[in-house]
Amino acid sequence: ETGVTQSPTHLIKTRGQQVTLRCSSQSGHNTVSWYQQALGQGPQFIFQYYREEENGRGNFPPRFSGLQFPNYSSELNVNALELDDSALYLCASRGGGTSTDTQYFGPGTRLTVL
Amino acid sequence: AQSVTQLGSHVSVSEGALVLLRCNYSSSVPPYLFWYVQYPNQGLQLLLKYTSAATLVKGINGFEAEFKKSETSFHLTKPSAHMSDAAEYFCAVSSRRGGADGLTFGKGTHLIIQP
Repeated sequence: ETGVTQSPTHLIKTRGQQVTLRCSSQSGHNTVSWYQQALGQGPQFIFQYYREEENGRGNFPPRFSGLQFPNYSSELNVNALELDDSALYLCASRGGGTSTDTQYFGPGTRLTVL
Repeated sequence: AQSVTQLGSHVSVSEGALVLLRCNYSSSVPPYLFWYVQYPNQGLQLLLKYTSAATLVKGINGFEAEFKKSETSFHLTKPSAHMSDAAEYFCAVSSRRGGADGLTFGKGTHLIIQP
């Protein structure tokens, strides 16, 4: 059973650009969540996808958007990058949509915005 | 709304000593509670979770936590610290709404193990 994988590992962008981060869920998992972890902080919930539909969102602006594909892999897109978007972006997958299901986290993508 | 407060951004203990990491939560509904560990340059790994069964929860690597509703606490303990326990620890809460509001994390506690 493969775990959650994310690509790329590191990324450097300039302010105003757009970025796409990718996540492959653990086998058999149909729910994916994305989190932003700023340096020295805990992760913050961005949004969740369940069976290709966004079904939950944290306090992030619309320039943060996502997709989930039929194979349950996922993308996080961020438009009009700002300096404060520099962070570790974590993807987590789980087998169902309930709160008790364990979320399995990937290693993250480190985004630096200059 | 829900929130998590982790007391102490850094905790230092000697190898073999008791580890105690504090977590208090605020939730308008009965919560589910989690402890995650993060090693440098890695993602988060679940240590244990409370989902309304036994209030004393045992996890991996010898860690356990006790849910105390009256104190709104979910402190993490380990009887004897090991050098490999040095890492960042996060407490998180989730509502029972169906999981669509994600996990709310504390700011983390950096555990330092002194030889």
